[in-house]
Amino acid sequence: GAVVSQHPSWVICKSGTSVKIECRSLDFQATTMFWYRQFPKQSLMLMATSNEGSKATYEQGVEKDKFLINHASLTLSTLTVTSAHPEDSSFYICSARDMFQGSSYNSPLHFGNGTRLTVT
Amino acid sequence: TQLLEQSPQFLSIQEGENLTVYCNSSSVFSSLQWYRQEPGEGPVLLVTVVTGGEVKKLKRLTFQFGDARKDSSLHITAAQPGDTGLYLCAGRRGGQSFVFGPGTRLSVLP
Repeated sequence: GAVVSQHPSWVICKSGTSVKIECRSLDFQATTMFWYRQFPKQSLMLMATSNEGSKATYEQGVEKDKFLINHASLTLSTLTVTSAHPEDSSFYICSARDMFQGSSYNSPLHFGNGTRLTVT
Repeated sequence: TQLLEQSPQFLSIQEGENLTVYCNSSSVFSSLQWYRQEPGEGPVLLVTVVTGGEVKKLKRLTFQFGDARKDSSLHITAAQPGDTGLYLCAGRRGGQSFVFGPGTRLSVLP
């Protein structure tokens, strides 16, 4: 089955530093990837939609200058948390849609295993 | 305001029991998906339903999409400890993104 690899699995950083998270589709091409944030015991909240070769679309309330998204190829999207603060500590998950599987109505989202970010 | 509501929020049952969890909304969805997520991992897709009234079965799991495509249910027969996890429904209204419900955390005790 389709595999999405997310790296790193966990990261601890100091307040004020930046952290980059990678999301790769290993055996399929994804023109669109999605970035979610999940706080403990809560559901996934969509942060942004990452489009290959163009600017990301951010959800309301998500600061685009703080959460930089780059989708430079059909298999890689990156999320950079800039000037991280303790309140940015969370579980970040990416997902990707196989552009050749299914239709726009029922194509599955393949999720990575997430990145646990802790900002001290 | 949650676009999707899920109930119950928590459910703890004994192995062998049956259960149903619900996903409700006032909005109409073009499709709805159910996922199961285990701690520290990403969600794993269980099923996609597209047609109003559709019923899909996956071994001991039965999924139903409401006639009006605003709600869905997941029924598990003879639950097993391996069914333990966070069950998430996700609805697609238009475009490509999904909105997730808050989830039902299921614990099946041996």
